[in-house]
Amino acid sequence: SQTIHQWPATLVQPVGSPLSLECTVEGTSNPNLYWYRQAAGRGLQLLFYSVGIGQISSEVPQNLSASRPQDRQFILSSKKLLLSDSGFYLCAWSRDWRVTGELFFGEGSRLTVL
Amino acid sequence: EDKVVQSPLSLVVHEGDTVTLNCSYEVTNFRSLLWYKQEKKAPTFLFMLTSSGIEKKSGRLSSILDKKELSSILNITATQTGDSAIYLCAVNQFYFGTGTSLTVIP
Repeated sequence: SQTIHQWPATLVQPVGSPLSLECTVEGTSNPNLYWYRQAAGRGLQLLFYSVGIGQISSEVPQNLSASRPQDRQFILSSKKLLLSDSGFYLCAWSRDWRVTGELFFGEGSRLTVL
Repeated sequence: EDKVVQSPLSLVVHEGDTVTLNCSYEVTNFRSLLWYKQEKKAPTFLFMLTSSGIEKKSGRLSSILDKKELSSILNITATQTGDSAIYLCAVNQFYFGTGTSLTVIP
């Protein structure tokens, strides 16, 4: 069966510090991978998605970046965090939409920038 | 630009009430609309609606897709406190709406 792991679960960082959130998927190959941010009690904002190694599409211009160094690994990074980067970050994976549409989510990472 | 809007943003009801949540969309090349429930952390999948499957039902939950009106509704009958959650609508697999926060009071 497929599983998705996301860490760290909670992170408190000072403004201007770097960020690295990691996500790995097990039990499947060549997944589509996604990073979302969620404001408190609100919907999900798509930040990045990837259909393959080294292939990253950015949906929202900002000081965050994403990388996919391996087939089932997706990393969200920042060189210098802003207060506005605080939020709940969710990683997700899916199969090709022509197979099935469902996204499978990790447990999320709550980032507080002080 | 693709757009997905949900209404209402939040809703408070009493146990036993019936609720209707709305999702409207403006996207190019519509393929599917999905509903998720998010209680604490990871959203969980409820339904997927497509041109070939415009109505789904599971227990007290049901959903209908109206391709003419570019919208969908999620109905929950005989609500329970366990239905309290954020309900998310997504179009074309990964474009999510604003979410509806549902609170069911005992």
